[in-house]
Amino acid sequence: DVRLLQSGAEVKKPGATVKISCKVFGFPFTDFYIHWVQESPGKGLQWVGFIDPSDSKSTYSETFQDRVTITADKSTDTVHLAFNSLTSGDTAVYFCAAGDRFEIWGQGTLVSVSS
Amino acid sequence: QAVLTQPSSLSASPGASVRLTCTLRSGVSVGAYRIYWFQQKPGSPPHFLLRYKSDSDVDLGSGVPSRFSGSKDASANAGILVISGLQSDDEGDYYCLLWHNNAYVFGSGTKVTVL
Repeated sequence: DVRLLQSGAEVKKPGATVKISCKVFGFPFTDFYIHWVQESPGKGLQWVGFIDPSDSKSTYSETFQDRVTITADKSTDTVHLAFNSLTSGDTAVYFCAAGDRFEIWGQGTLVSVSS
Repeated sequence: QAVLTQPSSLSASPGASVRLTCTLRSGVSVGAYRIYWFQQKPGSPPHFLLRYKSDSDVDLGSGVPSRFSGSKDASANAGILVISGLQSDDEGDYYCLLWHNNAYVFGSGTKVTVL
């Protein structure tokens, strides 16, 4: 069963850091890049970045590159997205996706930022 | 100016053919790019429909009906998604995506309503 399982919802205060995860099931962890995509009200979808789990090299959108870090843990087949200096504007659902056609998606993780 | 622009909404009757456009910014030529198309419904992750670069370089997603097809309009500098025989289940948001300047970029999305 090919799937991506994401961690649960997070509630953070402005200025905090959040780390969410995406665990791979059903295919070799190093087979595909893993992407992160933000879905926020009024902004639609925005690509955050991706990582190549085979060598842990990551590429980021200019919009997010100063505040996000994507890492891959081969021991647990899990990719993490860390997002620092959170603001209310970062409140969104974050999806991970895999496959060169973005065919496999996680269920999404809601990150809420509020004082 | 955004790299990719999509009309915000479109409505049509069941059975109609609809043409969704994804217009590239001036100076970014559509001919060079592989354009991805996704459908998203509320509460769900995006679903890959197809990617199109040319008639000889087109890729339909697994299980996606042939009612969905891609093309380009060079004169309008746009990628095109055509949905033939529109069905009520086709309602949702449609996003285009491409790889540009070492990053993926989503379009702004088009909300399709079936009357």
